Amino acid sequence: AQTVTQSQPEMSVQEAETVTLSCTYDTSESDYYLFWYKQPPSRQMILVIRQEAYKQQNATENRFSVNFQKAAKSFSLKISDSQLGDAAMYFCAYRSTGNQFYFGTGTSLTVIP
Amino acid sequence: NAGVMQNPRHLVRRRGQEARLRCSPMKGHSHVYWYRQLPEEGLKFMVYLQKENIIDESGMPKERFSAEFPKEGPSILRIQQVVRGDSAAYFCASSPSGGVASRLGEKLFFGSGTQLSVL
Repeated sequence: AQTVTQSQPEMSVQEAETVTLSCTYDTSESDYYLFWYKQPPSRQMILVIRQEAYKQQNATENRFSVNFQKAAKSFSLKISDSQLGDAAMYFCAYRSTGNQFYFGTGTSLTVIP
Repeated sequence: NAGVMQNPRHLVRRRGQEARLRCSPMKGHSHVYWYRQLPEEGLKFMVYLQKENIIDESGMPKERFSAEFPKEGPSILRIQQVVRGDSAAYFCASSPSGGVASRLGEKLFFGSGTQLSVL
């Protein structure tokens, strides 16, 4: 079974600074998708960004970008110009060819004013 | 287009009672997933269903838990004889059906969750 590992239970960043959240995964598949979801205190899960495994180019969504290293099975999220509203729990997720989603244990991000 | 609807938002049960959690997927979505989130933990997969079929229930406890997604109506996660350890947030998510080429990129749309508290 695929596993997703987030080794940073908690991270903090100064407002306007940049922070990187780590994620690694284990799989034998060659075709899959990776996602980062954000869960603010409201508990609503919000998609931040997604990456197709067969694409070399790293996905970017405004201040959010990923560093996808397929050989290393690494999928980190970079948040630039951090804002107070970025404070949340962030989950890395893997979607398999079997239509199954696997989530990491999350990283709690604090943004310091 | 309404999002994924879960109800109730909060559910309180005493030990030994039954809990029924409901999830209406987004219109046109035929794939439903249930996840459990314990305090300070990530999302743990429980079950994946399509209409009238359980596709993967490898995350469901062997006893007391069951799930269904009937042809008509919402998906139901049922917990019988609840215990304090069942207290958690239960999230439902849905995704649309589609061809193989597009399917992998489809994201999950999440409901707001049901917080189950067992007294």
